[in-house]
Amino acid sequence: DVVMTQSPLSLPVTLGQPASISCRSSQSLVYSDGNTYLNWFQQRPGQSPRRLIYKVSNRDSGVPDRFSGSGSGTDFTLNISRVEAEDVGIYYCMQGTHWPPITFGQGTRLEIK
Amino acid sequence: QVQLVESGGGVVQPGGSLRLSCAASGFTFRGYGMHWVRQAPGKGLEWVAVIWQDGSKKYYADSVQGRFTISRDNSKNTLYLQMDSLRAEDTALYYCARALYNGAWYGHDYWGQGTLVTVSS
Repeated sequence: DVVMTQSPLSLPVTLGQPASISCRSSQSLVYSDGNTYLNWFQQRPGQSPRRLIYKVSNRDSGVPDRFSGSGSGTDFTLNISRVEAEDVGIYYCMQGTHWPPITFGQGTRLEIK
Repeated sequence: QVQLVESGGGVVQPGGSLRLSCAASGFTFRGYGMHWVRQAPGKGLEWVAVIWQDGSKKYYADSVQGRFTISRDNSKNTLYLQMDSLRAEDTALYYCARALYNGAWYGHDYWGQGTLVTVSS
């Protein structure tokens, strides 16, 4: 199984400051079609997960442009350019390239300092 | 608008059974692979199972293989999860979610609100 490792697991951030979450996979997530099926989710307190980013860097409709995804191979990053109060929650990366099983990272809890 | 509404959760004794349902609306249900993903209290997300658009293929996490059965009824736009031989470690909020497939899985773009399963004596 592909292991997804996120860091940090806890991320205190001052409002208006940037934030960055790392996600590393135990093997390359490049699929045979040349695409990389690495996705990012946000889970606000008491809510269901919401997809933010698919295939490394494609932002979902309605996702603020302060969120961006980057990376390749086994190393990926979710960046928030300026953290807002509504960004509080847990962020997960997920790979869909090597399955079954589909695997998620452990989650990174973002909080406001 | 896309809606996924789970039901069927509850409290069950170890070794017991439960059947979850997920009613889908607002999209062409038969056009999507459908998944169950669970989240134990205070824990992260764990993928449980997936079923092909036409129900012809099914895959499971090792942790539930042989005990859980995923199925769907495209005439009723409904996804199911039959859970047998339940264990305490199956206690979780169970989400249904849809995802596009292209040989690999895009992330799940719509999720239900979840239904809580508690396995306890």
